[in-house]
Amino acid sequence: NAGVTQTPKFQVLKTGQSMTLQCAQDMNHNSMYWYRQDPGMGLRLIYYSASEGTTDKGEVPNGYNVSRLNKREFSLRLESAAPSQTSVYFCASSEEWGSPLHFGNGTRLTVT
Amino acid sequence: GENVEQHPSTLSVQEGDSAVIKCTYSDSASNYFPWYKQELGKRPQLIIDIRSNVGEKKDQRIAVTLNKTAKHFSLHITETQPEDSAVYFCAASTGTASKLTFGTGTRLQVTL
Repeated sequence: NAGVTQTPKFQVLKTGQSMTLQCAQDMNHNSMYWYRQDPGMGLRLIYYSASEGTTDKGEVPNGYNVSRLNKREFSLRLESAAPSQTSVYFCASSEEWGSPLHFGNGTRLTVT
Repeated sequence: GENVEQHPSTLSVQEGDSAVIKCTYSDSASNYFPWYKQELGKRPQLIIDIRSNVGEKKDQRIAVTLNKTAKHFSLHITETQPEDSAVYFCAASTGTASKLTFGTGTRLQVTL
């Protein structure tokens, strides 16, 4: 039982490049989330999917897009990376919207 | 929206002493208050949570107290050990209707 799996673990991009962060969970959870973590700012919600087939903006959605591919998978896409998007990105899931979160191991992204 | 403030930002205690981390929230409708522990380079993990229908919850050496009137909740760790060293995040939400809002974190250092 792997829980929440994120790929890649590390990524370096140049400004303007695009990439997709992948996330999959095997706990049959309904809700999935993408957070970013920056020093001194805690965890900020980028996008979430309360249930399969729905996605909504969180606190800091600008510059990102998401896809809830199926119940297991929720991807985050950066279309044109900017240095301000240098951060650690965490995917999380929960049984339902508002239930305790289970986090993946994170992706450390650097944009130069 | 909800605003969660967390204090202190750093806390150093000697092994065996107690540690207390405090959080205040702004939305009186909030009714779910989890605490997450994040070890260096690892993912956040839920350590304890409390709902608004109780004032205190304990799990071995950790406890959380909630004062709904004052809109604050606290994490108490007794008999601290070196493995308690980590960053701790509080969070608040109105349950299934709302996202979790995180505090900015407290770096706890337990010294020998």
